[in-house]
Amino acid sequence: QVQLQESGPGLVKPSGTLSLTCDVSGGSISTSYLWSWVRQPPTKGLEWIGEIHHSGSIKYNPSLKGRVTISVDKSKNQILLNLKSVTAADTAVYYCARKVSAAIMWANWFDPWGQGTQVTVSS
Amino acid sequence: DIQMTQSPSSLSASVGDRVTITCRASQSISSYLNWYQQKPGKAPKLLIYTESSLQNGVPSRFGGSGSGTDFTLTISGLQPEDFATYYCQQTSTTPPTFGQGTKLEIK
Repeated sequence: QVQLQESGPGLVKPSGTLSLTCDVSGGSISTSYLWSWVRQPPTKGLEWIGEIHHSGSIKYNPSLKGRVTISVDKSKNQILLNLKSVTAADTAVYYCARKVSAAIMWANWFDPWGQGTQVTVSS
Repeated sequence: DIQMTQSPSSLSASVGDRVTITCRASQSISSYLNWYQQKPGKAPKLLIYTESSLQNGVPSRFGGSGSGTDFTLTISGLQPEDFATYYCQQTSTTPPTFGQGTKLEIK
């Protein structure tokens, strides 16, 4: 079964760039699935960051105002996240998740999820 | 963005109880509504997708219903492992959005 594992620096300085990797095992990212990033600030709810298909199709949450870039490394079976110009508001646990879709485009859900990685923005 | 509002924000119940959590969307989302369970320090886990379909391996005491703007998650016969935080999520429009969560605690 597919498993996801996030990794990256746990501490990023304000105005810097947050860079995370999601390693996908048990299956190829080059399938019909899309791959998403979701974050969860401390004691708060879940926020969708964006998603990517291995073909290059990408969508981002407009709330991140052009600061985010999601890409894939097919050779390493990884999903990558870059978030620039970070502030304390970007402190969160970051999750990657596989997006599963039914025949109807809007019928989709996230499963499975990685265990998450904590990122703190602080000087 | 579609706003998802869950109620209550927290709930105390006992093992064996039947509990209901409500999720309301700011506009109609048809049946494009999922439910997740999250335990402290863990990733969310999919319970129910497209309003009422039970994810493989999820106990049948979990049930989902609703359509349009109003949805419910029902847990019949609470078990100790069910005490967690529950989130609804709409996928009718991009960006997909989540409710603020309902924390289910032991009474």
